Amino acid sequence: DVKVTQSSRYLVKRTGEKVFLECVQDMDHENMFWYRQDPGLGLRLIYFSYDVKMKEKGDIPEGYSVSREKKERFSLILESASTNQTSMYLCASSIGQGTIEAFFGQGTRLTVV
Amino acid sequence: AQSVTQLDSHVSVSEGTPVLLRCNYSSSYSPSLFWYVQHPNKGLQLLLKYTSAATLVKGINGFEAEFKKSETSFHLTKPSAHMSDAAEYFCVVSDLGDSWGKLQFGAGTQVVVTP
Repeated sequence: DVKVTQSSRYLVKRTGEKVFLECVQDMDHENMFWYRQDPGLGLRLIYFSYDVKMKEKGDIPEGYSVSREKKERFSLILESASTNQTSMYLCASSIGQGTIEAFFGQGTRLTVV
Repeated sequence: AQSVTQLDSHVSVSEGTPVLLRCNYSSSYSPSLFWYVQHPNKGLQLLLKYTSAATLVKGINGFEAEFKKSETSFHLTKPSAHMSDAAEYFCVVSDLGDSWGKLQFGAGTQVVVTP
């Protein structure tokens, strides 16, 4: 089975801190995604990556950046955390072109105080 | 551009009765459509997917969905609800013309199952 692992289930950070959320997948997938989940809004795409060192903005990239130095690892970075970034963050991966079923991690619930 | 509308934010059913979760989509190309389920404190799990083959799609746990192009709908059904079906369900669309496989999620439908 595909496994997508997010490094933390729960995080509490202070306003202004730099925050790193880590995601690792073990199936050699080309595509990796970061979503944010908020009640009543479903999942919204923050960034995605289709190859090592390649990235594209999603629907809500403001306040975030990403890094993909290795194929299996995709990091989401909050440069200066703010309270409106309190949310559930979900990482996903999928095989490249032509197959678009995504596999999700368990999520990281981030609280910014 | 693609979008998804889930017509009900909450659905409450009695155990043993049918479940219907409604989803309408818009898509510029030929869409792929999915239903995902999220149980409390769990990640998202794929229930079923439509990718331009049979319009009636069977998934896991007795769920099925029918793709109706004329109505731009992809409603999810189950003939008999079980307590374990209590969860949040997401309808998702992806354009086959989008090679990166970006998924557009609906807002979700929370399902409550009462004994």
